[in-house]
Amino acid sequence: AQKITQTQPGMFVQEKEAVTLDCTYDTSDPSYGLFWYKQPSSGEMIFLIYQGSYDQQNATEGRYSLNFQKARKSANLVISASQLGDSAMYFCAIENFNKFYFGSGTKLNVKP
Amino acid sequence: EAEVAQSPRYKITEKSQAVAFWCDPISGHATLYWYRQILGQGPELLVQFQDESVVDDSQLPKDRFSAERLKGVDSTLKIQPAELGDSAMYLCASSTGQGAGSPLHFGNGTRLTVT
Repeated sequence: AQKITQTQPGMFVQEKEAVTLDCTYDTSDPSYGLFWYKQPSSGEMIFLIYQGSYDQQNATEGRYSLNFQKARKSANLVISASQLGDSAMYFCAIENFNKFYFGSGTKLNVKP
Repeated sequence: EAEVAQSPRYKITEKSQAVAFWCDPISGHATLYWYRQILGQGPELLVQFQDESVVDDSQLPKDRFSAERLKGVDSTLKIQPAELGDSAMYLCASSTGQGAGSPLHFGNGTRLTVT
């Protein structure tokens, strides 16, 4: 069984600063994918970034990067230069054989 | 960019009534998912389709919930009878299901309130 743990229910960050959202996972499968999604208050889930279990390099997408530490089973999301529009819920998910399992999320508030 | 369409956006119903949600995935996406998201929690899978076949419905409360994807395209999720605990956001998502890194594409969801 796959499991995702997000231990930070809420985070605050000052605008223009970087922030790290934690995600740890548990799986016995050697092949899996890790995804991060953003959910604004309007409710839609927006795909941000993907990391494959065999990828050697950490994934990056614009201001988003994924700090992947396979031995520690962690896949933290780093948002650089935070913007007010980054205020939202953030969900980490693990995928295996097209099945996706989500964590409980972290609510990020960006302060002006 | 193509989107996953869901309707209605909001639904208020009384307990014991029937309610139905509709989802039209991105064209060509063979895999379709229905998730339930209780306020303050992450999405939980209810049912997963591959084309018209159910791949996983282990978490679907089958005594009251049903889902179908008859032609392998759009899908309907039904609840009958609705209970107060069914109040949640119901999210539909689709994926090509092919290749590593294929993300889920979500619709805007249906927010259900059972009174």
